[in-house]
Parts: sequence; structure tokens; C-alpha cells
Amino acid sequence: GENVEQHPSTLSVQEGDSAVIKCTYSDSASNYFPWYKQELGKGPQLIIDIRSNVGEKKDQRIAVTLNKTAKHFSLHITETQPEDSAVYFCAATRYNDYKLSFGAGTTVTVRA
Amino acid sequence: SAVISQKPSRDICQRGTSLTIQCQVDSQVTMMFWYRQQPGQSLTLIATANQGSEATYESGFVIDKFPISRPNLTFSTLTVSNMSPEDSSIYLCSVALAGTDTQYFGPGTRLTVL
Repeated sequence: GENVEQHPSTLSVQEGDSAVIKCTYSDSASNYFPWYKQELGKGPQLIIDIRSNVGEKKDQRIAVTLNKTAKHFSLHITETQPEDSAVYFCAATRYNDYKLSFGAGTTVTVRA
Repeated sequence: SAVISQKPSRDICQRGTSLTIQCQVDSQVTMMFWYRQQPGQSLTLIATANQGSEATYESGFVIDKFPISRPNLTFSTLTVSNMSPEDSSIYLCSVALAGTDTQYFGPGTRLTVL
């Protein structure tokens, strides 16, 4: 099955700086890669996703890049704000498989 | 997207008892899933809830422990049976809308077993 590794496990950044989280996956057939943000006491919220037919996707301060050859993908948050503090999870699956394999999560703390 | 609600939001239960968690979505969805998130951990898929038929369980999860129902396209239940303290977790419902593979999660049910 798919194995997703996520790094770092914790990340502390100064407000206004950028944050980068990296994930690697094992199954070369995986082609859908969502990112979720989970705030304390809440369910995971989809923040951005990317499919294997594109290399980069951006939505305001958030971007995701995908390197299919190396089997890794990354989340980039620019101009971080205190409300970006949360646990972020990457995931991978094959199209129409629906079975998401999650990374272990990254706890991001934005220092004011 | 989809609006997903879960009941109860949290509960404290005694060992040996059972708890049924409900998941309701505001639109007809193709797929419904149940995940477990143990304290401080990532999410693990328990099963796919199939409408009108038995759920499809992932390795390590069995129907006797986690019976699931899905009577229609917008509603599903997960029962945690004969609970032990090791079952203390957040249980999350997720859905995928028809024609997409994007999954949305409910707010979760926080279960503590004493």
C-alpha cells in the first residue's frame, strides 16, 4: 500500500516568514495529493490539492508543488499569520480509489 | 463542498459499553468514509460506508467492533462496540461528492473511554 512520510513534525516560524512542509510517497500510481489543515478541536479542512498532471498550484498565500519523478510534494505558506497555526496533513491516493493515506502531520506555530 | 455534521460532538463512556456516532451530509454524495484519529496521531481509514450493503473494512478493523450503516446517500452511522480505553480517539466522517475525488471531513466525535 501507499506510504506517506511528512517532514518536519513541528515547525515554528516568525509571523510574515514562509513555511514549507514536505511529503514523500511510495506508490508511483498515486495521482491525487490533498493538503488538510486541522485546528484544535476541529475536523481536517481541505486547503489545497494537486493532481499529477500539474507541477504547481497556487491559491493566494498557499502553494503546492509536485515532483512525480522524485515522488515528493510540498506545501508552501507565504506571509504567515497567527491564524495559520495548526496541524497540517498531506495525503495521497490514486484517482477514484478514495483511500487517502495520510502523513504523520506537521504542527505549525506562527510566532507573533 | 459539503456541510457535514456529526453527533455527538464528544462523549465520555464506560468500558464495555457501545456508542453510535451519526454523520449527516447536506447533499447526496458518492462515497462516505469513517476515520480514526488517535490522540496526537494522524488519520487512519476504518472503512468505506456503502449504501444499502455491508461496509468495506480496512486491515485491522472488523465489523463486530465497528459496525457501520448507510441507509441512504446522506446519512451513516458508526458504532464503537464493547469499548476499552484504547478506543479513546477522534472519529471522523468524510465524504466525496459525486464526480469528484475530493474528500471533506466532518467536525469529528471526541470519544473518551474510562
